[in-house]
Amino acid sequence: AQSVAQPEDQVNVAEGNPLTVKCTYSVSGNPYLFWYVQYPNRGLQFLLKYITGDNLVKGSYGFEAEFNKSQTSFHLKKPSALVSDSALYFCAVRDFGGNNRLAFGKGNQVVVIP
Amino acid sequence: NAGVTQTPKFRILKIGQSMTLQCAQDMNHNYMYWYRQDPGMGLKLIYYSVGAGITDKGEVPNGYNVSRSTTEDFPLRLELAAPSQTSVYFCASSLADLSTDTQYFGPGTRLTVL
Repeated sequence: AQSVAQPEDQVNVAEGNPLTVKCTYSVSGNPYLFWYVQYPNRGLQFLLKYITGDNLVKGSYGFEAEFNKSQTSFHLKKPSALVSDSALYFCAVRDFGGNNRLAFGKGNQVVVIP
Repeated sequence: NAGVTQTPKFRILKIGQSMTLQCAQDMNHNYMYWYRQDPGMGLKLIYYSVGAGITDKGEVPNGYNVSRSTTEDFPLRLELAAPSQTSVYFCASSLADLSTDTQYFGPGTRLTVL
């Protein structure tokens, strides 16, 4: 089955500094990769996805992610973090195992310090 | 356009009680999904539906049932609630499968079983 791993529980970053949230994947075949963000007491919101094409994917709210096939990674990045970026971030991969599900990582809590 | 709506927002059940979590979408999406989110874990797929009248099991279906009589509605039924079903439940929908569309999530239902 396809899976993703988010190795860090929490990422702390000062406002204005670059933000990186790490994700590695394990798939058979070509991966369909996604990033979602969850604000407190809200549902998940789509940020961006990689299906095919350019390795650098641009998404909502100034976020981007780089697909790296050799390192099996799909790290989420933002050049300059805002306090409002503090949230829970989930990496996900499409599971082709027959039930059309997204397999989610455990999530990373991002805290942007003013 | 309300997107994906869920009711109730919160609920406390006693062991053995039953309830139905409501989910509706007004985007004319074919696919609908139910996930549960446990602390420190990613989302796990409970059931999904590819269209009215068609449902299928996800990763963790035991203790739940669903129906899809219309395109808009996808209720989740809990029979004989157990403490292990304490979780936050998210409904999601997508127009087509994940290679061409993304999933849109509702705000969630926080369920506690005592």
